[in-house]
Amino acid sequence: EAGVTQFPSHSVIEKGQTVTLRCDPISGHDNLYWYRRVMGKEIKFLLHFVKESKQDESGMPNNRFLAERTGGTYSTLKVQPAELEDSGVYFCASSQVTWTGEFTEAFFGQGTRLTVV
Amino acid sequence: AQKITQTQPGMFVQEKEAVTLDCTYDTSDPSYGLFWYKQPSSGEMIFLIYQGSYDQQNATEGRYSLNFQKARKSANLVISASQLGDSAMYFCAMRDITQGGSEKLVFGKGTKLTVNP
Repeated sequence: EAGVTQFPSHSVIEKGQTVTLRCDPISGHDNLYWYRRVMGKEIKFLLHFVKESKQDESGMPNNRFLAERTGGTYSTLKVQPAELEDSGVYFCASSQVTWTGEFTEAFFGQGTRLTVV
Repeated sequence: AQKITQTQPGMFVQEKEAVTLDCTYDTSDPSYGLFWYKQPSSGEMIFLIYQGSYDQQNATEGRYSLNFQKARKSANLVISASQLGDSAMYFCAMRDITQGGSEKLVFGKGTKLTVNP
C-alpha cells in the first residue's frame, strides 16, 4: 500500500513567486494534516481537513497560504506570494477517522523542502 | 495550551548500548496521548510508539520503550541495543484535541541522535 506522497520533494523559488505543494494521503484516510518545520524550530501545525472540509486552519500563518482538498482526496497548499520566512519543510500527514476517540496513527509524508531566496 | 519540551538538542551513544531521549510535557487535559517519531536523513517521519495517559503499563515496541512518569509529566523514549540505523532526529509529540473536534499533534524541537560504531 502506498504511503503519504508529497510533491515536489524540493522547491527553490524567488521571493514574490507562487509555489504549490501537493499531498496524496493514504487511500481511505479522511483526516489530512499540513505541518511546517522552520529551521531549528518545532514542527508546527498548519491545518486539518476531514474529507474536503477544513476542520481547523488555526495554524495557517497568514492569508498568503491557501489549502484545498479537492473531492476529499489529494490536497494542495499554495503560497502566494512567497516570502523569505516561508522557507522550511512542509509535511503532510493522514489518518483514519474514528468516532470513539481511540488512538489512530498519523502517517507522514517525506516532506517538501521549500527555500525562498 | 499543550507544550512539549525536549531539552537535548543532540545525543551520542555507542552501538549496542541503550540511550534515553528526554521529553516533558505540559497539559491541563486529563486525557492525552504521547507519541515519538523518528526522522532519518531521508526526511520521512516514522511513527515509533504511543502512550495513552490512562494506559496502565509503559508502551513498548521492539527495541523502543516509553518511560512514562505521569506525576513528573515525562515521557522519555528508551532505545535499547542501539544500531547505526537509529541515527536520526527524534520528535516527541502530544495529541491535542480541540473543542471543535479537530485533532493535531504538538511537537517538541527534537533530539538528534548519533550512534557511533
